[in-house]
Amino acid sequence: EVQLLESGGGLVQPGGSLRLSCVASGFTFSTYAMNWVRQVPGQGLECLSGISGNGDTTYYADSVKGRFTISRDNSRNTLYLQMNSLRAEDTAMYYCAKALFGGHDYWGQGILVTVSS
Amino acid sequence: QSALTQPRSVSGSLGQSVTISCTGTSSNVGNYNYVSWYRQYPGKAPRLLIFDVIRRPSGVPDRFSGSKSGNTASLTISGLQAEDETDYYCCSYAGRFNWVFGGGTKLTVL
Repeated sequence: EVQLLESGGGLVQPGGSLRLSCVASGFTFSTYAMNWVRQVPGQGLECLSGISGNGDTTYYADSVKGRFTISRDNSRNTLYLQMNSLRAEDTAMYYCAKALFGGHDYWGQGILVTVSS
Repeated sequence: QSALTQPRSVSGSLGQSVTISCTGTSSNVGNYNYVSWYRQYPGKAPRLLIFDVIRRPSGVPDRFSGSKSGNTASLTISGLQAEDETDYYCCSYAGRFNWVFGGGTKLTVL
């Protein structure tokens, strides 16, 4: 059974940092691209960042470029999102998702990040 | 503003069919046969309904079908059921490990 389990969210002050983790199981992690997708409460989905299976290629949305860094440790079946210089508008539910080119077939349960003083 | 355009809401009667459109550009929907659709209940993670424009994962009923023409993809739900009332999102691959989503459509079952 495929499982994705996010952790590392919580309350942080503006300008602060957080690192999200997503532990994967049930599939050959290194074979698949992975994404971080976020959803501001009451709004739609936004693909923030993506990474290839071997970690060589990454993508960032303009909204987080230069502030967030995606990485993966295939030996630990873990995806990361380092979030720096956090802003109030980064407050959202963050999902990790297993990516096929044609869609995201598995999602984590989501982790809430709240940026507030 | 989302990269893909969906109607904010659609409605249909129990047992009838409804179609949700998703309009992108030649850089995403029009360039790749990699459109997907998701259903999301409040407080839950999205669930994949359609991938590769037309394919259904195992466990998704054949009431759900996808199609694409040019820069516009569509999700059709036939035989509407009360449980279908929720939010639906489209998504398209846009190259270099980037995917773009629509703004979501709220389906009301009358």
